[in-house]
Amino acid sequence: QQPVQSPQAVILREGEDAVINCSSSKALYSVHWYRQKHGEAPVFLMILLKGGEQKGHDKISASFNEKKQQSSLYLTASQLSYSGTYFCGTDGRYSSASKIIFGSGTRLSIRP
Amino acid sequence: KAGVTQTPRYLIKTRGQQVTLSCSPISGHRSVSWYQQTPGQGLQFLFEYFSETQRNKGNFPGRFSGRQFSNSRSEMNVSTLELGDSALYLCASSLLDNEQFFGPGTRLTVL
Repeated sequence: QQPVQSPQAVILREGEDAVINCSSSKALYSVHWYRQKHGEAPVFLMILLKGGEQKGHDKISASFNEKKQQSSLYLTASQLSYSGTYFCGTDGRYSSASKIIFGSGTRLSIRP
Repeated sequence: KAGVTQTPRYLIKTRGQQVTLSCSPISGHRSVSWYQQTPGQGLQFLFEYFSETQRNKGNFPGRFSGRQFSNSRSEMNVSTLELGDSALYLCASSLLDNEQFFGPGTRLTVL
């Protein structure tokens, strides 16, 4: 049930772009994206609800393809502050209860 | 507004002992979820409580249990500790089943 994230790790130079993918074998209600810096708690980036919407947060955006049960996180013109581990969390509920299952994470390293 | 707090921040126990971790959610948040984080395993869902009721449970043995009080504070208990229980335990609270706010975590070391 755990979503699959790819790649597991990526190294970029400052200013380069990156795409992190998240796919699930189950139908999804929503997809959540979090970033965790070393030694800190995960921090919410955005949530995407079913409907194929795309959201943006500064230079970080994401898309959610409900039919393919996939989501992608796009980081453009990466900055040093983008370094960290990115987790996607999927929610397959169709009731009032929420159960977010996280992927194993993608470690992003930005070099000057 | 104060964030999610967890106590204690660090804990060292020996095999066979039991441990209780505490989580105070953001004021007004009624949902509290617990996660176990270990290197390479990401965030493993333990359970979620809402208004003192367990709504969801992950695939962990019965040694892991939790509860939530009327003020939304939550505790999780691990009995008969094993070496493999060493991990960072995170709790997160949310208001309307959307954005989760994570606490700093409790790092448990089992010797």
